[in-house]
Amino acid sequence: NAGVTQTPKFQVLKTGQSMTLQCAQDMNHEYMSWYRQDPGMGLRLIHYSVGAGITDQGEVPNGYNVSRSTTEDFPLRLLSAAPSQTSVYFCASSNYGGTEAFFGQGTRLTVV
Amino acid sequence: EDQVTQSPEALRLQEGESSSLNCSYTVSGLRGLFWYRQDPGKGPEFLFTLYSAGEEKEKERLKATLTKKESFLHITAPKPEDSATYLCAVQATGGTSYGKLTFGQGTILTVHP
Repeated sequence: NAGVTQTPKFQVLKTGQSMTLQCAQDMNHEYMSWYRQDPGMGLRLIHYSVGAGITDQGEVPNGYNVSRSTTEDFPLRLLSAAPSQTSVYFCASSNYGGTEAFFGQGTRLTVV
Repeated sequence: EDQVTQSPEALRLQEGESSSLNCSYTVSGLRGLFWYRQDPGKGPEFLFTLYSAGEEKEKERLKATLTKKESFLHITAPKPEDSATYLCAVQATGGTSYGKLTFGQGTILTVHP
């Protein structure tokens, strides 16, 4: 049972490049979400999904795009990377009851 | 807007020296308050969920309590392996809130041998 798997673990992008951060879970959870973690800021919600085909914006959605075509996968797309998007990104999933969220190991992204 | 504030930002303890971490919150309606542990370079690891004022949960040397405005994470006789960042988060009531957590900035705990 792998839980929540994020790829890649590390990535360096140039300003203006686009890329997709992958997130997959094997627990059949309905809810999935993306957070970014910056020093002194805690984790902030970017986008979340309550099921396949349903997504909504979180606290800091600008510059990011998501879609959820399957229960298992919830990719995060950076449309045109900016240095302000340098951060550690975490994907999480939880079941309908939402009693706990399981997090992936994170993707450390640097935009130069 | 939901808000979570954790204090202190950093806490240094000697092994065996008990202490508490604080999490103050404001939320329109509380569905649950969560405590996570995060080790360097890793994702947050779930510890506890508390749902109502007066509730307490324990796990090894950790005990979490909840009031209507704050939660405490008590650490009894800590060991160096308890060193980590401890995160508090709240989840509001409402049908689409299950996937949404509002986090505090965390408390960095260091336990010296």
